[in-house]
Amino acid sequence: DTGVSQNPRHKITKRGQNVTFRCDPISEHNRLYWYRQTLGQGPEFLTYFQNEAQLEKSRLLSDRFSAERPKGSFSTLEIQRTEQGDSAMYLCASEGSSDNEQFFGPGTRLTVL
Amino acid sequence: QQPVQSPQAVILREGEDAVINCSSSKALYSVHWYRQKHGEAPVFLMILLKGGEQKGHEKISASFNEKKQQSSLYLTASQLSYSGTYFCGAEDSGAGSYQLTFGKGTKLSVIP
Repeated sequence: DTGVSQNPRHKITKRGQNVTFRCDPISEHNRLYWYRQTLGQGPEFLTYFQNEAQLEKSRLLSDRFSAERPKGSFSTLEIQRTEQGDSAMYLCASEGSSDNEQFFGPGTRLTVL
Repeated sequence: QQPVQSPQAVILREGEDAVINCSSSKALYSVHWYRQKHGEAPVFLMILLKGGEQKGHEKISASFNEKKQQSSLYLTASQLSYSGTYFCGAEDSGAGSYQLTFGKGTKLSVIP
């Protein structure tokens, strides 16, 4: 159990560019979550996977955001045509089927210039 | 609906106690408590699944009153290591998902 890992840890991009983040959950965890966190706020739910199926997506999530988990293991979160308002920490969490505990990764800090 | 946490911030001296509250406007299935230190990921503390339940972890315990749609986190004999921001994550009853809605957090500072 090496914990949840996320890459890259930091990303600086120009407005309008596309970015992609990767999350590697704890092995055998079938549930995977993406959250966004801005300064002074709690994590905000973005989307949730059970194995490879994306079961839930926040109503607040723009169409510019898309996430995949093709083989039920790692997941990617892509943001197209980034805007300055997308600047935030993007957190990934995984959870086993017998747990109710979400283990968070270290996050990817996105800065859009 | 985002749960409301109170207080927003608290400063304690080592050894003092604190209570952090988390209230929801909707019925809750469970409440999860996390602590986040500056620049780090949130770390799970405990989960409360049933109304009226109380759980403990060393000198940190929590209660969940389902009828009041409220949970409280109790920190006793605080240590410097308790400093951080505490978040409650609420899971709605009957929502059919595992989605957590987090409060804005309570910043706890423990000083010598």
